[in-house]
Amino acid sequence: GEDVEQSLFLSVREGDSSVINCTYTDSSSTYLYWYKQEPGAGLQLLTYIFSNMDMKQDQRLTVLLNKKDKHLSLRIADTQTGDSAIYFCAESRGFQKLVFGTGTRLLVSP
Amino acid sequence: ETGVTQSPTHLIKTRGQQVTLRCSSQSGHNTVSWYQQALGQGPQFIFQYYREEENGRGNFPPRFSGLQFPNYSSELNVNALELDDSALYLCAATSGGQYNEQFFGPGTRLTVL
Repeated sequence: GEDVEQSLFLSVREGDSSVINCTYTDSSSTYLYWYKQEPGAGLQLLTYIFSNMDMKQDQRLTVLLNKKDKHLSLRIADTQTGDSAIYFCAESRGFQKLVFGTGTRLLVSP
Repeated sequence: ETGVTQSPTHLIKTRGQQVTLRCSSQSGHNTVSWYQQALGQGPQFIFQYYREEENGRGNFPPRFSGLQFPNYSSELNVNALELDDSALYLCAATSGGQYNEQFFGPGTRLTVL
């Protein structure tokens, strides 16, 4: 099917690590992406990973990819209150079409 | 700042009306895609335009149509509006770079009454 699945909600304390998980469906996807959406705003690309990679680190962000299980995760180290937002994973399908997950709402409390 | 702008930011229409949403991106963004994001959902792909031709379409009826212009602007038109068309409409532009990054605009919030 078309569904990209994510857990709906994650709550962490400031300074902790956050891990947001995603399961995708198309094993031929070339790139997988993580986007951030703040209230009332569009989508901000956080990071991406190429399908032949297992891991990518970008400052506080670490992306892990398990192609066998079609599982993608985003780890945010030292989570801050400004990280509170909805996080979407997305897979590329064919001609640059993106298929998005349902989004995970991250709430960071002081 | 993605270099992609959309207008208007908010719009209220009634059932049966027609609406045109606009998107503008910077030079070099030769591909534009439109997405519909219903409340509490992830964005859903509507269609994509490349060099002013439709280059792919999602599961949306023909009353959703689009145009792309040579100046890197684009329109999404929706005819015969239905209540379920209420959503945030996002456009995304890409230059087809190394990792096909799509730059999203801030969206247009459409409410159909």
